[in-house]
This record gives sequence, C-alpha cells and structure tokens, in this order.
Amino acid sequence: NAGVTQTPKFQVLKTGQSMTLQCAQDMNHNSMYWYRQDPGMGLRLIYYSASEGTTDKGEVPNGYNVSRLNKREFSLRLESAAPSQTSVYFCASSTTANSFYEQYFGPGTRLTVT
Amino acid sequence: KNEVEQSPQNLTAQEGEFITINCSYSVGISALHWLQQHPGGGIVSLFMLSSGKKKHGRLIATINIQEKHSSLHITASHPRDSAVYICAVRGRDGNKLVFGAGTILRVKS
Repeated sequence: NAGVTQTPKFQVLKTGQSMTLQCAQDMNHNSMYWYRQDPGMGLRLIYYSASEGTTDKGEVPNGYNVSRLNKREFSLRLESAAPSQTSVYFCASSTTANSFYEQYFGPGTRLTVT
Repeated sequence: KNEVEQSPQNLTAQEGEFITINCSYSVGISALHWLQQHPGGGIVSLFMLSSGKKKHGRLIATINIQEKHSSLHITASHPRDSAVYICAVRGRDGNKLVFGAGTILRVKS
C-alpha cells in the first residue's frame, strides 16, 4: 500500500497563476482532508470531504476549491494564486471504522507563490 | 486564545533525558491525538486517546479530561526523537481535528 500520495512535491507559481494539487489514498478511507501548514501555526483545515460526493469548508477555504473525484482522489485547486498562499499543503485521509478517526497524512506539497 | 495550546514551543534535551510536552485545550472533545512530524516533513500518528494513559515503547501519553490537559512523555530520549510533536483534538460533533502549533524537540547526543 502506498498510503496517501500527493503530487507535486514542490511548486513555484507566479501571482495569478492557477494549479491543482492532487491527492490519492489506497486505504479505502471515506474521509479526506486538505490542510495548510505555516510557520508558527498549527495545521489548518482548508476543506474536507466526509464521504465520496460531499465536500465542506474548513477553517481557511478562501481562494481554494476542491473536488472529490471518487473515493480515492481529492484534489485542491488554486484558481488565482496569491503570495499569502505560500505554504506547505498536506492531504490526509481517515477511516470511520473506529471512533478515533485516525488520520493518515501525505508527504506534503511545498508551494511558493511569487 | 487558540483552542489548543502546546508548551514548550521549543525544547532541547540531552540524550537520555526524560521529556514532557504539554497540551491544553479549551473545548469539549471526543479524542485527542499526538502526532510526530519528522524533519523531512512527514506526519505520523503516535497516539489517539480519550481517557487515561497509553504507552508505546518509550512514549507515554496521558490525558486528564476534567482538566482539559494532556502530556506526552519520552523516556530515555535519543537524537532520533528529534522532531516536531503536534497535539490535535477532535470535537464531539464530527471528525475534524484542531491542531496545536507544535513543539520542536531537539535531542543532542
């Protein structure tokens, strides 16, 4: 099992450019999440998908859109990148098979917007 | 005030020392998670607990629900324990986590 995979690992964008971050999991998890991590701050939830076909806003959704393409894949799109979106982005998935909802994280995407 | 506060923010220890990292939270929770983020960036789950104490190898996690406080202990610390340790809580109403800012631990040999 590959677990949670993310592409790309690194990306540099100019202000105003768009891009899509891809995430896939092979653990048959229902729930998937996108977080951003900034220095000195905890991981902050951008969007999540509790199950295939549903998506909901998290704490910091502005400037982002998501698509839960199928049970395996959950993509994050930046339509018009801004320097404030420079961050490390993590995708995660969790099982609802137990009450703890343990989350499994991808390796992260380091995005710089100039 | 953040919902999840960790202390200390930075911690340097000598190899072999006993280490304690603290986490306080201000909301009702159904579970608390401790995670480890390696210098390369990967994040792994260490513990999930809703009461009492859990132990895995040299790591021990405790939680006091009444005091809204959890601690992560590392016994006989080793340089390979150097990482960021993150506390996260899950509210009673869903499967979303709220994260603390993390504690940067450096263990010197």
